Amino acid sequence: DSGVTQTPKHLITATGQRVTLRCSPRSGDLSVYWYQQSLDQGLQFLIQYYNGEERAKGNILERFSAQQFPDLHSELNLSSLELGDSALYFCASSVEVNSPLHFGNGTRLTVT
Amino acid sequence: AQKVTQAQTEISVVEKEDVTLDCVYETRDTTYYLFWYKQPPSGELVFLIRRNSFDEQNEISGRYSWNFQKSTSSFNFTITASQVVDSAVYFCALSLNQAGTALIFGKGTTLSVSS
Repeated sequence: DSGVTQTPKHLITATGQRVTLRCSPRSGDLSVYWYQQSLDQGLQFLIQYYNGEERAKGNILERFSAQQFPDLHSELNLSSLELGDSALYFCASSVEVNSPLHFGNGTRLTVT
Repeated sequence: AQKVTQAQTEISVVEKEDVTLDCVYETRDTTYYLFWYKQPPSGELVFLIRRNSFDEQNEISGRYSWNFQKSTSSFNFTITASQVVDSAVYFCALSLNQAGTALIFGKGTTLSVSS
């Protein structure tokens, strides 16, 4: 058990809808990262937060947004969903930059 | 630009065989970190090892060993006497020593160990 909690485990929704994925980092970890894993793109970095502030941005679509709250949990919001957004979304946390990332079990999103 | 290449998409071995997973990285930075992660069929990503660019010592942990060679920009992973439980996707990853950068993953190598 990595200590990172992601909910829900599975999400099935229709195109055009909006969903929110939630992540609770390991106790003591200030950084939260979001990754998208799909068969064709592999593991793609989306965004990082550190202690509530956005720290780095990767290949995150404009339809996607995230935030980290004062209690350090994070939410990833995906809107105007398309079939191609179907993927496994991972949250990870770390103590500091370049510390190992500890991943949650992921949220599998299926857009129909 | 930073990049991680795992040229082996899939490897199949029989139990007790040794297997090496290749990882080649690209970066112009002199300070960086390399990682290996394992993703078993259950789907979670499990951290295996981290090395920094200044430490080229090979590392051994049980049946696992890692060979880091800066001269060839490689960070290869060897499993000795493979077991069925080693079946998983293995990812090599790179991060830079800069704020605002994140872990860059290779495409992964799927290892299948049969009994």
